[in-house]
Amino acid sequence: KAGVTQTPRYLIKTRGQQVTLSCSPISGHRSVSWYQQTPGQGLQFLFEYFSETQRNKGNFPGRFSGRQFSNSRSEMNVSTLELGDSALYLCASSSSDRGLTNEKLFFGSGTQLSVL
Amino acid sequence: KNEVEQSPQNLTAQEGEFITINCSYSVGISALHWLQQHPGGGIVSLFMLSSGKKKHGRLIATINIQEKHSSLHITASHPRDSAVYICAAYSKAAGNKLTFGGGTRVLVKP
Repeated sequence: KAGVTQTPRYLIKTRGQQVTLSCSPISGHRSVSWYQQTPGQGLQFLFEYFSETQRNKGNFPGRFSGRQFSNSRSEMNVSTLELGDSALYLCASSSSDRGLTNEKLFFGSGTQLSVL
Repeated sequence: KNEVEQSPQNLTAQEGEFITINCSYSVGISALHWLQQHPGGGIVSLFMLSSGKKKHGRLIATINIQEKHSSLHITASHPRDSAVYICAAYSKAAGNKLTFGGGTRVLVKP
């Protein structure tokens, strides 16, 4: 079974641009959650999707948005990029409707976003 | 103040030593995850606890919901255990989200 796949692996953008990151969960997993990791703030929860609906949301501005498709693949979008958005963006999938409280979260390798 | 605090921030041990990492949180939670992150970024989910104790190989995780505290123990530590260990608390009271501790960087020397 393939693991969680995130694309692209690396991305360089300039301030003011927007970016879309993709996450393909493990086959059969319907919960996908997104996280931002920076050296200063550590890991922070962005949002969780289950069956195409956003179920939970962290404390990020509206520039950060996401969606989930009927095949459970998820995308997150960041508009009007700021220097502080430079980070490793991780997604995780889980197998049950318990989502964030499931026994196991399976993480992708992340997308490293650099904003210049 | 972060809602989830980990200690210590850094830990160095000799191979074979017993290691304990602590995680405390300030709000009521319904679940707590322990994660392992190796250099290069890959994160592995080790445990999810809502009560009691879980064991997997040389790893043991405990949680005391009333005292708002969890511990991760590594018995007979090995250099391959060198990684950053992160706890993450799931709280309905805090808005149905995961809140992460700052991580504990563990180095096990041969």
